[in-house]
Amino acid sequence: GQNIDQPTEMTATEGAIVQINCTYQTSGFNGLFWYQQHAGEAPTFLSYNVLDGLEEKGRFSSFLSRSKGYSYLLLKELQMKDSASYLCAVMDSNYQLIWGAGTKLIIKP
Amino acid sequence: DADVTQTPRNRITKTGKRIMLECSQTKGHDRMYWYRQDPGLGLRLIYYSFDVKDINKGEISDGYSVSRQAQAKFSLSLESAIPNQTALYFCATSGTGDTGELFFGEGSRLTVL
Repeated sequence: GQNIDQPTEMTATEGAIVQINCTYQTSGFNGLFWYQQHAGEAPTFLSYNVLDGLEEKGRFSSFLSRSKGYSYLLLKELQMKDSASYLCAVMDSNYQLIWGAGTKLIIKP
Repeated sequence: DADVTQTPRNRITKTGKRIMLECSQTKGHDRMYWYRQDPGLGLRLIYYSFDVKDINKGEISDGYSVSRQAQAKFSLSLESAIPNQTALYFCATSGTGDTGELFFGEGSRLTVL
């Protein structure tokens, strides 16, 4: 079966750095997405990786290793507004998105 | 105004009632999706449509039906609602660009008593 694993919850301190991991087992691979979802709101797109390596976008970076079935989202200079759930999703060989359950990130002052 | 609009935003209904959730978009996208989100679970795809004449079942289509009335409108129906259909429902759209990024509506919270 297809599976996306990510930690259920993480806690970090304002101003610090946090890394949210995602491992996947899917039928084929056509890209990995990270979305941010604030409580009670819609998910919003953060990043897309289809090739191995690091993609940097401001305070957020996303890394992919296809051979390891592994990705991480790195958040730097954490702000209180970064408190949210972070969803990892993989597009399989049929171009269907398989979603992880999300990682709830709690930022403490 | 939001690019992807869902109505109603909140609905409480009783078992056996018919419910329709509506979605409209101004992004000009051909592709539209209906997902449900439950605590502790990932988003699960109910139905999707790649154009007005194309309707496809997703992972959990049983108990649901859809209608694509126009490029901009995609409705989800629960013919006879049951309590385990209590969930947060999201409509989403995507273009045909490289990333396939999804644009979500604000969600419709449905409670079936």
